[in-house]
Amino acid sequence: AQTVTQSQPEMSVQEAETVTLSCTYDTSESDYYLFWYKQPPSRQMILVIRQEAYKQQNATENRFSVNFQKAAKSFSLKISDSQLGDAAMYFCAYSPGGGGATNKLIFGTGTLLAVQP
Amino acid sequence: GAVVSQHPSRVICKSGTSVKIECRSLDFQATTMFWYRQFPKQSLMLMATSNEGSKATYEQGVEKDKFLINHASLTLSTLTVTSAHPEDSSFYICSVEAPAGWGTRETQYFGPGTRLLVL
Repeated sequence: AQTVTQSQPEMSVQEAETVTLSCTYDTSESDYYLFWYKQPPSRQMILVIRQEAYKQQNATENRFSVNFQKAAKSFSLKISDSQLGDAAMYFCAYSPGGGGATNKLIFGTGTLLAVQP
Repeated sequence: GAVVSQHPSRVICKSGTSVKIECRSLDFQATTMFWYRQFPKQSLMLMATSNEGSKATYEQGVEKDKFLINHASLTLSTLTVTSAHPEDSSFYICSVEAPAGWGTRETQYFGPGTRLLVL
């Protein structure tokens, strides 16, 4: 069975600095999808970034980028120029893809990010 | 991202009553929706996959008779917690998978969640 591990329960970063959140996963599949979701205090899950496993290029979305190491099964999230609004719980998630009912998300335990002014 | 609504946003009920939660996909039709449960300070756990026009698929350990799912249309799925008890108190979240052509296929978009408190 696939699993997702986030080894950092809490992280802290100074405003305008850079922080990296770690995520590892376990799967025997060769094609899958990885995601980072953000959950602020409102508890609305917000998609931050997605990565397709067959793409070697790391995904980027403005200040957010990932370091995808397929062989090591590692998928870390880098937040540059951290802002106060980045403070939230961040969840790493894995999906086997394939669409429809097979496309269920498996979440890690989350990393609570605090941003210090 | 896509807009997914949930109603109600929070509900308080007495033990033994049933509660229905609605999940609507506002931006596209969805043959598949997912229902998650999140306990305080914990991660999201998939409860079931809702399939339009057919029976839901439940994850191991989730009682299908207690958590009734109805996906009656391509934009609406409902979760009914039957004979609710205090241990069912939780945050329930639905998600919708973006269809092909949306631009971010294989991606799920989440509703704002429903906070259930059973007294």
